[in-house]
Amino acid sequence: GAGVSQSPRYKVAKRGQDVALRCDPISGHVSLFWYQQALGQGPEFLTYFQNEAQLDKSGLPSDRFFAERPEGSVSTLKIQRTQQEDSAVYLCASSRGDRGYTGELFFGEGSRLTVL
Amino acid sequence: RKEVEQDPGPFNVPEGATVAFNCTYSNSASQSFFWYRQDCRKEPKLLMSVYSSGNEDGRFTAQLNRASQYISLLIRDSKLSDSATYLCVVNLNSGYSTLTFGKGTMLLVSP
Repeated sequence: GAGVSQSPRYKVAKRGQDVALRCDPISGHVSLFWYQQALGQGPEFLTYFQNEAQLDKSGLPSDRFFAERPEGSVSTLKIQRTQQEDSAVYLCASSRGDRGYTGELFFGEGSRLTVL
Repeated sequence: RKEVEQDPGPFNVPEGATVAFNCTYSNSASQSFFWYRQDCRKEPKLLMSVYSSGNEDGRFTAQLNRASQYISLLIRDSKLSDSATYLCVVNLNSGYSTLTFGKGTMLLVSP
């Protein structure tokens, strides 16, 4: 497709379950980002990939959060042993540039996670 | 102090009104600046970049004051379709593109 695709769009998990969220960026985009957006807040940075390399994971809130992009295209954000505070929209974004590029980020529609 | 702070909103204005949003950022090393728009339950989309000299795109005017670390967005002749949340975004440009988002200011334009 032409845009960033994320799945699932909606996920309801019981506390303690593991979840995996998928992002398919725009073809050819080098950079991929994950953001977390809580209700009424702006997106908060989680992690950044340049191709398959995870260059920054400083925003991951705990070691329960893990992201990968093994072939430099599709990325998966995994959350282990989900907690209620993990409830949020998880946004994936991609851009065509690499280091130093300050161009536009293209976001997917997000995966809305609700932890009961 | 948050890195990017915006007017709390919401702003309720009638069609045709002029509305201004303000934003301040804490890191003086910030290199580039943007306004993103986010419709309800949708993803953020780039509205416009903000340049030091100020820039205009139709009804939208963005300004940057580096000395005061202040960014503004002016919308003239508001339309119903302008109703959205406006996110102020700052890029430290510390070697790669990582954007820091403000909380957003919601705009509601009524008939």
